[in-house]
Amino acid sequence: GAGVSQSPSNKVTEKGKDVELRCDPISGHTALYWYRQRLGQGLEFLIYFQGNSAPDKSGLPSDRFSAERTGESVSTLTIQRTQQEDSAVYLCASSSFYGYTFGSGTRLTVV
Amino acid sequence: AQSVAQPEDQVNVAEGNPLTVKCTYSVSGNPYLFWYVQYPNRGLQFLLKYITGDNLVKGSYGFEAEFNKSQTSFHLKKPSALVSDSALYFCAVRGGLTGGGNKLTFGTGTQLKVEL
Repeated sequence: GAGVSQSPSNKVTEKGKDVELRCDPISGHTALYWYRQRLGQGLEFLIYFQGNSAPDKSGLPSDRFSAERTGESVSTLTIQRTQQEDSAVYLCASSSFYGYTFGSGTRLTVV
Repeated sequence: AQSVAQPEDQVNVAEGNPLTVKCTYSVSGNPYLFWYVQYPNRGLQFLLKYITGDNLVKGSYGFEAEFNKSQTSFHLKKPSALVSDSALYFCAVRGGLTGGGNKLTFGTGTQLKVEL
């Protein structure tokens, strides 16, 4: 497709369960980013992939969070043992050198 | 480390009046600056960007922004606000070619409310 696709669009999970969020970037975009947006707040950087370089994981809030990307394609963000404070919208973006395109996000609710 | 400040949580303006949403930044090297808009329950939509060249950048929906290097600012402006402009606006920055890294850092957002 022409845009960044994220799935699922909504996810409700029980506290303590693991969840996996998926991002399909725009074809040809070498960089991919994950951000978190808590209700009423700004965007919090989580992780950044650039080509085959080592990812910048400096924004991951704890070791329960991890992300993978295969080459320049799909990325998955995994949250283990979810907590209520993980409830947020998780946004993925991909970019060429100058332009960034965001997906519609996955709304995660931990109950 | 790069950072963005949006000093106003909310801006209220009457329809037809000019609007300004403020943004200041800190980054190594020449900045690449962006404005995004977010409508309720929607993703981020790109409005405009400054990379180089003319300090006044024109973008989508009649918005423009002025890059001011001495004041490290990139305020968003529109000459005549519409009720439909009401949304959450984010300013973002990344370092340029000498600034290190492609990570885009966002401000905390400014809620714009345009009233009749």
